[in-house]
Amino acid sequence: QEEVVESGGGSVKPGGSLRLSCAASGFIFRDHYMTWIRQAPGKGLEWVSYISSSSSYTDYADSVKGRFTISRDNAKDSVYLQMDRLRAEDTAVYYCVRGVRDSFFHYYFMDVWGKGTTVTVSS
Amino acid sequence: DIQLTQSPSFLSASVGDRVTITCRASQDGSNYVAWYQQIPGEAPKLLIYAASTLQSGVPSRFSGSGSGTTFTLTISSLQPEDFAIYYCQQLNDYRLTFGGGTRVEIK
Repeated sequence: QEEVVESGGGSVKPGGSLRLSCAASGFIFRDHYMTWIRQAPGKGLEWVSYISSSSSYTDYADSVKGRFTISRDNAKDSVYLQMDRLRAEDTAVYYCVRGVRDSFFHYYFMDVWGKGTTVTVSS
Repeated sequence: DIQLTQSPSFLSASVGDRVTITCRASQDGSNYVAWYQQIPGEAPKLLIYAASTLQSGVPSRFSGSGSGTTFTLTISSLQPEDFAIYYCQQLNDYRLTFGGGTRVEIK
């Protein structure tokens, strides 16, 4: 059964840091892009970042670029999101999601979602 | 950046109704869109990808169509378990964008 499980959420003060982890199982992790999506309370879905299967390519939403870093360890079937200089507006449920893209990068969709981990940034 | 606008943002419908949700891109970009269903309190679930391909295990009452700047998700006969929020999503210039969501509630 294909599954991803997030951990590492919690409460932190503005300006602080947090590292989210995501453990995958049931599929060949090293073959897939991985994505972080977040959802602020009562709001819609927002893409945060993704990383290619070999870590050679990453990209970030403008709202987190320069503050968040995505990485992965294919030996541990895990992906991470290091979040620095956190702001109140980063408060959200963070989902780890498996990405699927075509050869030409014409499309990218997400088919295996975790249950999410909650990050609260507040003084 | 290309924006995705969903309409309506809210709709009230009855079990058995045919429901159509539209997702419009602010400019011509990818010809592909994905659709997700989110039941409040749960993680989203992939329904449709590449505009019209039904994800494995998703009931056939869900269908997707469209190209260019206009895409639609149709539920042919609304079931009680379909009351949820629906999001479209697209890849443009290597960036992922979601629509604002359409909440489908029971009339």
